[in-house]
Amino acid sequence: NAGVMQNPRHLVRRRGQEARLRCSPMKGHSHVYWYRQLPEEGLKFMVYLQKENIIDESGMPKERFSAEFPKEGPSILRIQQVVRGDSAAYFCASSPPTGSSENTIYFGEGSWLTVV
Amino acid sequence: GEDVEQSLFLSVREGDSSVINCTYTDSSSTYLYWYKQEPGAGLQLLTYIFSNMDMKQDQRLTVLLNKKDKHLSLRIADTQTGDSAIYFCADLYNQGGKLIFGQGTELSVKP
Repeated sequence: NAGVMQNPRHLVRRRGQEARLRCSPMKGHSHVYWYRQLPEEGLKFMVYLQKENIIDESGMPKERFSAEFPKEGPSILRIQQVVRGDSAAYFCASSPPTGSSENTIYFGEGSWLTVV
Repeated sequence: GEDVEQSLFLSVREGDSSVINCTYTDSSSTYLYWYKQEPGAGLQLLTYIFSNMDMKQDQRLTVLLNKKDKHLSLRIADTQTGDSAIYFCADLYNQGGKLIFGQGTELSVKP
């Protein structure tokens, strides 16, 4: 089952370090999304990307967070100088190209970031 | 901004039907989704419904949509203990890729 693949599943970082989370979309999917789930909260949209383009980054914090989806390779969510409040589960999702007959949005298993 | 609301908890007995309710505010909603999340796991897509439909059935799952009242429900027939999880309703906002999620309903199934 070549679903949405995320790694690492679990990541521990000290305050001030960088965290890099990777996501490979489902085969045939060209749209990638990142969501964050804070403890005891629902999922919040962060960013929507297509290959080499950021379509909507309205949910991204203004500082320290960045995302990319290069022409080759997985999408990367990068968090610089992590703080304890960044501890959360980060979920990647993907969907088929625009105009597809399906509007399915599939999620990966998540990357759990713990900042100590 | 747009909002999606769900009740937080639901407890049912094994074999009964479960109905999880959701309301949303987005008047231009096109697709609405139901996801299931088990502890420590990702979100499993259960089903979705296009906004011009009233109902969609998929095996034990029935989705009802009242677009006038902006109310969505998920009915699980013959609920099993393996159905215990958190269920999220989500609205595809503005036809783009942004899903607006409810807080999730924790379903507890008692034997």
